[in-house]
Amino acid sequence: EPEVTQTPSHQVTQMGQEVILRCVPISNHLYFYWYRQILGQKVEFLVSFYNNEISEKSEIFDDQFSVERPDGSNFTLKIRSTKLEDSAMYFCASGRGNLAKNIQYFGAGTRLSVL
Amino acid sequence: AQSVTQPDIHITVSEGASLELRCNYSYGATPYLFWYVQSPGQGLQLLLKYFSGDTLVQGIKGFEAEFKRSQSSFNLRKPSVHWSDAAEYFCAVGANQAGTALIFGKGTTLSVSS
Repeated sequence: EPEVTQTPSHQVTQMGQEVILRCVPISNHLYFYWYRQILGQKVEFLVSFYNNEISEKSEIFDDQFSVERPDGSNFTLKIRSTKLEDSAMYFCASGRGNLAKNIQYFGAGTRLSVL
Repeated sequence: AQSVTQPDIHITVSEGASLELRCNYSYGATPYLFWYVQSPGQGLQLLLKYFSGDTLVQGIKGFEAEFKRSQSSFNLRKPSVHWSDAAEYFCAVGANQAGTALIFGKGTTLSVSS
């Protein structure tokens, strides 16, 4: 069964450093998403991406965040200058599109630890 | 404001007993509702979804959920729990529009005792 793959599973970085979280969505999916979950809190939407553009973003997704689909298979989330409060589990998701309504399939997540 | 509430943070159920996990939502438009499950080290796996039609929906692993518009609820049920059902369960609501956000509850952790 196809699945969303995220790498690495755990990333440790120093405050102020740039990190790139990587995701390989399901191959025939057209919509891509990033969510995060701070320990003990809800899973929160960050951004959605379609046709090489951001479709929707939350207020969390400020100028320090960016997303890119650098090739036909990867989808990345970049955090330009990490802060302590960026420590969280980051989930990538993908979906086929409108015919499949808003069904989103999630990866296992990348745990980001900012020291 | 749009939100999802899962009132129970942690539930323990005996193996073979029935299970009901509660979910209440607040959503301005027609809600499309989901239940996801997360086992340790795994991603969020879609259990079931409700878009329209029959308010009782069946999902994978023997789970079902009932949409009750009057109560703004979408509770998850299973008649007989197995030890492998121990996991964290998330309820989510969204629009019927790809590319839009899902709003999640805080999750309910299910423990299964033998």
